[in-house]
Amino acid sequence: AQSVAQPEDQVNVAEGNPLTVKCTYSVSGNPYLFWYVQYPNRGLQFLLKYITGDNLVKGSYGFEAEFNKSQTSFHLKKPSALVSDSALYFCAVRDGQTGANNLFFGTGTRLTVIP
Amino acid sequence: DAGVIQSPRHEVTEMGQEVTLRCKPISGHDYLFWYRQTMMRGLELLIYFNNNVPIDDSGMPEDRFSAKMPNASFSTLKIQPSEPRDSAVYFCASSSLEPNSPLHFGNGTRLTVT
Repeated sequence: AQSVAQPEDQVNVAEGNPLTVKCTYSVSGNPYLFWYVQYPNRGLQFLLKYITGDNLVKGSYGFEAEFNKSQTSFHLKKPSALVSDSALYFCAVRDGQTGANNLFFGTGTRLTVIP
Repeated sequence: DAGVIQSPRHEVTEMGQEVTLRCKPISGHDYLFWYRQTMMRGLELLIYFNNNVPIDDSGMPEDRFSAKMPNASFSTLKIQPSEPRDSAVYFCASSSLEPNSPLHFGNGTRLTVT
């Protein structure tokens, strides 16, 4: 079975400060991990993914995420937050061994960047 | 590429009426997904297709819900009869065949059933 946990419903951070949005996962096989962002009245937009290789993955808008196999985590990070980063963020996982292409999403974390 | 296109953007209907949501996936994508998003339940996968064939419909809530994909460029999600608890945002997404490919989402249809 596959699952994703985003332990924080809400994260607040001051503009210019680093931000972290947490994600832990559970899969039977190799994890394919994704981060998406959702702005109001829009669909989810792909930010970045981890499939294999370097544990630090860089994506759109200056975001990055670090894969940690021992902690089964894939936290999203950004060195300096912008007000425009305020949005809903979703972590998702796919089991690379099952061959299925559907993604399992976390419940989302609302990020608010305070000016 | 125009991305995944969903119509209508908003739908307001009365309980008991039939509702049809439409989706045009990105050209060349092999997979099509229907998700539902609510405050209480988050994002739920309803059904997904591979090459127009339904692969997993275990997320479809009940028999009132049905989905079809008559060709590679069009899919519908139908609710008949609709109920107030069906009110949600319904998203369509598509992806290519590679297992590491991301899903590309449409902007959703906001359904309100009164």
